[in-house]
Amino acid sequence: DAGVIQSPRHEVTEMGQEVTLRCKPISGHDYLFWYRQTMMRGLELLIYFNNNVPIDDSGMPEDRFSAKMPNASFSTLKIQPSEPRDSAVYFCASSVSPGAQPQHFGDGTRLSIL
Amino acid sequence: QQPVQSPQAVILREGEDAVINCSSSKALYSVHWYRQKHGEAPVFLMILLKGGEQKGHEKISASFNEKKQQSSLYLTASQLSYSGTYFCGTEPSSYKLIFGSGTRLLVRP
Repeated sequence: DAGVIQSPRHEVTEMGQEVTLRCKPISGHDYLFWYRQTMMRGLELLIYFNNNVPIDDSGMPEDRFSAKMPNASFSTLKIQPSEPRDSAVYFCASSVSPGAQPQHFGDGTRLSIL
Repeated sequence: QQPVQSPQAVILREGEDAVINCSSSKALYSVHWYRQKHGEAPVFLMILLKGGEQKGHEKISASFNEKKQQSSLYLTASQLSYSGTYFCGTEPSSYKLIFGSGTRLLVRP
């Protein structure tokens, strides 16, 4: 079975540019999570969706960040405009249910903002 | 609030045992454990639920003290493949995991 698929795997762009990260969750998983991982702050939850609806976006750092899930098989995380401090590894994860079931992580997108 | 993990780092010889601890200041619904190898995604190991139920790995065990909001992960007869960073994720409220800062484990031959 295919796991969580993220694209691109690596992204290098200049400050001020728009960045779009993509995620395809595991089929049948109703919950989708976006995380950011940095050395300083560790693994942080940014936002999560249930059945394509954003439930908790309290972890989204600023208005420059936005996330959408137009259907059950696709989600995007967008940063506009990007800043060097946004450099991190961004993970998408999905789960059948969020609490008593494991979260399955994608391979992540390593983002570098110059 | 982020759970506290200890120790921050451990170095073992192959075959030795290790214990990694995770402590939260909030009452927990569940505790998740994940392992992440360098440059890879976190991989699920174990879930411990309030009430004692466990779901997870065959060769790794864990405990969950609900009263103290503490969990421990037990790695016995460690193998080289156990090397990586171990994260606990605590669930103080429904549907939201908060991850600790991680414990780096290195198993040497």
